[in-house]
Amino acid sequence: EAGVVQSPRYKIIEKKQPVAFWCNPISGHNTLYWYRQNLGQGPELLIRYENEEAVDDSQLPKDRFSAERLKGVDSTLKIQPAELGDSAVYLCASSLAAGQAYEQYFGPGTRLTVT
Amino acid sequence: TQLLEQSPQFLSIQEGENLTVYCNSSSVFSSLQWYRQEPGEGPVLLVTVVTGGEVKKLKRLTFQFGDARKDSSLHITAAQPGDTGLYLCAGCNAGGTSYGKLTFGQGTILTVHP
Repeated sequence: EAGVVQSPRYKIIEKKQPVAFWCNPISGHNTLYWYRQNLGQGPELLIRYENEEAVDDSQLPKDRFSAERLKGVDSTLKIQPAELGDSAVYLCASSLAAGQAYEQYFGPGTRLTVT
Repeated sequence: TQLLEQSPQFLSIQEGENLTVYCNSSSVFSSLQWYRQEPGEGPVLLVTVVTGGEVKKLKRLTFQFGDARKDSSLHITAAQPGDTGLYLCAGCNAGGTSYGKLTFGQGTILTVHP
């Protein structure tokens, strides 16, 4: 069974440019998460989807970040415009459903460098 | 805002030594998870502890959940170079719109030298 797929794996952009990350969760997983992980830190949740509905986006900086999960399968996270402080690893995870009984499976992440 | 404090932040030991990583919070969590992350990869779940006072063993790894469900520890016996990695604890919320939300600690970078 394929795991969570993310692309690209690495992205280098100049500040003020837009960037987008793509995630394909494990087949059948209804819940999808986007996390941001700064160097030497644990991941921080940006947004959680239940199917195509964003049910927790309280940590998403909505002035420059947006996300979508059309048809409740794969998802895209966008930053426009990017700032130097956005440099981080962006992780996508999925689970069958939300809750402690459902393991979250993480993708390898996209390492973003903003110069 | 719920916070999880992990200590130590860095740990460098020789093969065969024992070690303990701590995870503390002022908040109560419905469960606590431990993950291991290798460079260039996402975190991988090691264990979930749910009941206060619970102890789980995974080969040379022993995980304990505090009685009040606010703290946890990970103990590794006879560490091996293959144990090298970033260890993360994560508390899970029980209810509300944050149901199932994981709050991660900042991680412990473990290096085991041969």
